Amino acid sequence: EIVMTQSPATLSVSPGERVTLSCRASQSVSSNLAWFQKKPGQAPRLLIYGASTRGTGVPARFSGSGSGTEFTLTISSLQSEDFAVYYCHQYNNWPPHFGGGTKVEIK
Amino acid sequence: EIQLLEFGGGLVQPGGSLRLSCAASGFTFSSYAMSWVRQAPGKGLEWLSAISAGGGDIHYADSVQGRFTISRDNSKNTVYLEMNSLRGEDTAVYYCAKVMWVGELIITIFDYWGHGTLVTVSS
Repeated sequence: EIVMTQSPATLSVSPGERVTLSCRASQSVSSNLAWFQKKPGQAPRLLIYGASTRGTGVPARFSGSGSGTEFTLTISSLQSEDFAVYYCHQYNNWPPHFGGGTKVEIK
Repeated sequence: EIQLLEFGGGLVQPGGSLRLSCAASGFTFSSYAMSWVRQAPGKGLEWLSAISAGGGDIHYADSVQGRFTISRDNSKNTVYLEMNSLRGEDTAVYYCAKVMWVGELIITIFDYWGHGTLVTVSS
């Protein structure tokens, strides 16, 4: 089973700042990596798949990069609606596995 | 508009059973794999199970293998999760999710999700 590790667990950020979230896989997942945004009481939202392809309707301020075992989600200028928990997710191998999440909170 | 609506959550005693349903609309249900994912209180997302478009390919997480059964009825645009031998650690919000790519192969990129149904396992 591939284990996904996200860091940091919590990030305190001011609106307008650039944010970088990290995700590491215990073994290579190629580019088969997605990022989801989760807000309390809401369904998860697909942001990125294929490590770097934005989902439908996802703003350009969200970008993904990486391959193999190291991945990054960048939010170029954090908006108020971006405060949430972000999860990476590998779909290269069975079982698919989510990381533990990074909470982006208001500083 | 694509919609996924989960039903069937509630309070159940340890050792009990529950069947969740997810009614889909707005897309050709029989062409897409479907999956169940849960989130326990204060915890992260946990993938549970997936079923291919035609129902012939099924996968489970180790945590639910042998206790949970996924199935689908393409004539009713509905996917199910039968849960048996429930434990306290199964308490969670359960989401159904649509796989992005059309076809029998399951690639677990989830592009649409329901809003979830709460399952509470407690005596």
